[in-house]
Amino acid sequence: NAGVTQTPKFRVLKTGQSMTLLCAQDMNHEYMYWYRQDPGMGLRLIHYSVGEGTTAKGEVPDGYNVSRLKKQNFLLGLESAAPSQTSVYFCASSRGDSYEQYFGPGTRLTVT
Amino acid sequence: AQSVTQLGSHVSVSEGALVLLRCNYSSSVPPYLFWYVQYPNQGLQLLLKYTTGATLVKGINGFEAEFKKSETSFHLTKPSAHMSDAAEYFCAVSEGQAGTALIFGKGTTLSVSS
Repeated sequence: NAGVTQTPKFRVLKTGQSMTLLCAQDMNHEYMYWYRQDPGMGLRLIHYSVGEGTTAKGEVPDGYNVSRLKKQNFLLGLESAAPSQTSVYFCASSRGDSYEQYFGPGTRLTVT
Repeated sequence: AQSVTQLGSHVSVSEGALVLLRCNYSSSVPPYLFWYVQYPNQGLQLLLKYTTGATLVKGINGFEAEFKKSETSFHLTKPSAHMSDAAEYFCAVSEGQAGTALIFGKGTTLSVSS
């Protein structure tokens, strides 16, 4: 069991470039989440998904899009990166009947 | 609306001393409460959780927390700090049905000196 994995681990983008972060889980969890972590801010929810083909906005969704075409994968896209999106991004997943979330190792993104 | 406040962004203790990390929450319904730990350059790991039942919850690595409804608190404690406890700790709350996203506090960095 790999748990929750994230690709890539590090990335540097120039302003205006686009990229997709991939999250994969092998625990057959229904729910998946994308958070961003910034110093002194804790973790803030960007988008989440309660099942394949469904997504919803979280606290800070602007500038991001997501897709969940397969139950095990949750993609986070940045169409036109901005320096304000420099952050560490965490993916998490949970069972539909549980409050416990399992986190990936994170992706450190720098936008210059 | 639910929210979490962690008092003290940085706590320093000596090895062997008591660890106390404070968390207060705001919730309109009975909350579900969590403590996560993050070691440098790693993801978050669940330390312990309160959902229902006993208000004193024991977690991994000797940590425990007590849910006090009257004080809206869920403070994390460990009787004797170890160097390996140095990390960032996050308190989180969830309300409503399972699967609801967590609301995190801003985190407390614990430093342990020898």
